[in-house]
Amino acid sequence: KAGVTQTPRYLIKTRGQQVTLSCSPISGHRSVSWYQQTPGQGLQFLFEYFSETQRNKGNFPGRFSGRQFSNSRSEMNVSTLELGDSALYLCASSRGQVTGELFFGEGSRLTVL
Amino acid sequence: QQQVKQSPQSLIVQKGGIPIINCAYENTAFDYFPWYQQFPGKGPALLIAIRPDVSEKKEGRFTISFNKSAKQFSLHIMDSQPGDSATYFCAALKGNNAGNMLTFGGGTRLMVKP
Repeated sequence: KAGVTQTPRYLIKTRGQQVTLSCSPISGHRSVSWYQQTPGQGLQFLFEYFSETQRNKGNFPGRFSGRQFSNSRSEMNVSTLELGDSALYLCASSRGQVTGELFFGEGSRLTVL
Repeated sequence: QQQVKQSPQSLIVQKGGIPIINCAYENTAFDYFPWYQQFPGKGPALLIAIRPDVSEKKEGRFTISFNKSAKQFSLHIMDSQPGDSATYFCAALKGNNAGNMLTFGGGTRLMVKP
C-alpha cells in the first residue's frame, strides 16, 4: 500500500510569491491534515479536511489555505510569501475516524528568499 | 500557548541505556496521547499511543507511563539501540470528536551512542 505522497519535495520561492503544495493520501483515507514544522516552533497544525470539508483550522493567517478534492487528494496554498514561511510542510492522512493515528508524508521543504 | 510541554530537548545515552522523555499537558479535554518518531528527512511515524484510563502501555521496547492526576506522561525506551536515534514527539488529541487535530510537544532529539 503506497504511503502519503507529497509534491514537490523541495522548492524555493521569493517573498511575495505564492506556492501550492500537493498531497495524495493513503488509499481509503478520507482525512487529510497539514502541519508546519520549523526548528523554532516545532510541529504546528494548519488545517484538516474530511470529505472535502475543512474540519479544523489552526492559528495561521488567512494567507494559508487549503482544499480537498473528491478523491481525497489535498492541496494547500500560501499566498504573499514571507521569509518566516520557510518550513517543512507535512501532510498526514487518517482513515477519517477520530483516531489521532496520522500517517505522515515526507514533507515539502519550502525556502523563501 | 504551549499546551503540551516536552522535556528534555535533547538526550544522549549509551547503547543499552533507558532514555526517558517526559511530557506534560494542561487541557483536560485531551484524551488520546500518541508518540511519534521522526528520522532526518522523513515525516513523523506513530510509535505508540495511550488513553488516560490506562497507566502504562508497552509495545516491544517502548513503554508509555501515564499519570492522569499529574497530567503527565512519559516514554521509556528499553535497551536503546543506535537505530533509535531520532527525534521523538509527544502529542495530544481532544476527545470532542472534532477531528484529528494533534497538539505536539516541542520534540526531543535522542542520540544513542554505540
